[in-house]
Amino acid sequence: AQRVTQPEKLLSVFKGAPVELKCNYSYSGSPELFWYVQYSRQRLQLLLRHISRESIKGFTADLNKGETSFHLKKPFAQEEDSAMYYCALRNSGGYQKVTFGIGTKLQVIP
Amino acid sequence: KAGVTQTPRYLIKTRGQQVTLSCSPISGHRSVSWYQQTPGQGLQFLFEYFSETQRNKGNFPGRFSGRQFSNSRSEMNVSTLELGDSALYLCASSGLGGADEQFFGPGTRLTVL
Repeated sequence: AQRVTQPEKLLSVFKGAPVELKCNYSYSGSPELFWYVQYSRQRLQLLLRHISRESIKGFTADLNKGETSFHLKKPFAQEEDSAMYYCALRNSGGYQKVTFGIGTKLQVIP
Repeated sequence: KAGVTQTPRYLIKTRGQQVTLSCSPISGHRSVSWYQQTPGQGLQFLFEYFSETQRNKGNFPGRFSGRQFSNSRSEMNVSTLELGDSALYLCASSGLGGADEQFFGPGTRLTVL
């Protein structure tokens, strides 16, 4: 069974401070990992995926298969980063069976 | 392109009733997935349809069912509603499923009294 764990329901940081949103997963195959974000009153949207190895809005995430983690990081938090962040795993079969973590609310304090 | 649309946006039902929710994917998208979102459980996968066929199913009771039409529009049905079915139901579409990005709709807020 695939499982995604986000240990923090709420993370509060000051503006300009580094951010790290934790995500650990459990999956027997080769997973595809994603981070989704939901800003206030907006739809859930893709932030980044591990296969792209890109930085979006200053955020990066590295897949660590040894630690089964996919933590989301940003060196300097901005107020507009305040949102709900969901880590998600898709099974390697390629079909859209996606398992989401429970989400972490990031609150950036001005 | 117009985004994913879901109707209705809000529903209030009573226990024992049934409900049908509708999702129109982005034009050209053939994969539609449904999720249940609650504060305690987060987003939970219900099922995924591709070209009118259910390809994946989550761990929900048989009261939850769905279908997809030839134009890729999808419906999900919940029969014999329970209080615990109160949730935000999200629909997401993607082009081919697989490696494609999912685009989410605004959701239907279902309240069961």
